[in-house]
Amino acid sequence: DTEVTQTPKHLVMGMTNKKSLKCEQHMGHRAMYWYKQKAKKPPELMFVYSYEKLSINESVPSRFSPECPNSSLLNLHLHALQPEDSALYLCASSHLGFNTEAFFGQGTRLTVV
Amino acid sequence: AQKITQTQPGMFVQEKEAVTLDCTYDTSDPSYGLFWYKQPSSGEMIFLIYQGSYDQQNATEGRYSLNFQKARKSANLVISASQLGDSAMYFCAMRVPKGNSGYALNFGKGTSLLVTP
Repeated sequence: DTEVTQTPKHLVMGMTNKKSLKCEQHMGHRAMYWYKQKAKKPPELMFVYSYEKLSINESVPSRFSPECPNSSLLNLHLHALQPEDSALYLCASSHLGFNTEAFFGQGTRLTVV
Repeated sequence: AQKITQTQPGMFVQEKEAVTLDCTYDTSDPSYGLFWYKQPSSGEMIFLIYQGSYDQQNATEGRYSLNFQKARKSANLVISASQLGDSAMYFCAMRVPKGNSGYALNFGKGTSLLVTP
């Protein structure tokens, strides 16, 4: 199983809403990632979890709150987002180290209205 | 600082022809990994091929091969016998150290490939 599953695939939310993005993998990977991708741009790293602990926060605004409840699950909690936060949010997982590929989910297309 | 450069915003190729997508990188680290990903319009990032800095031979995976020239710091992707389904965005990426214990992918700006009949 080389699959990373993200839900939901599409999400429309108002600026006062609270919502969560979910990501799941069963490949035994101990590193999990959130990336944000705007249209026609490369993915930009947001957060990295290693062994279920947050190891990297790329200066992401606090309205984005990650959570890693166990080694298979990764959540991204959203609150009071802005329209400019509309993007494709990609989850990925990998083994640790520089020479291993990351597997990506299909992403959640988020629209903030 | 580690950096990935893709200088071709868009490329066209005819079906069944081969195409080369360019990628150059910059790093002072002797140990590094280079990756190519394909992103169709559906959004998923699909891993294609990997090249390690210490690998003696160029990587190949089916119709994909990597032309790795370490001295020139280039890692170009070659797609042979192009198919209509190869139309997508292609990203070159490098695993770079982040924080105390992690690595993450740094992506180039991508090349949009269109395969025509």
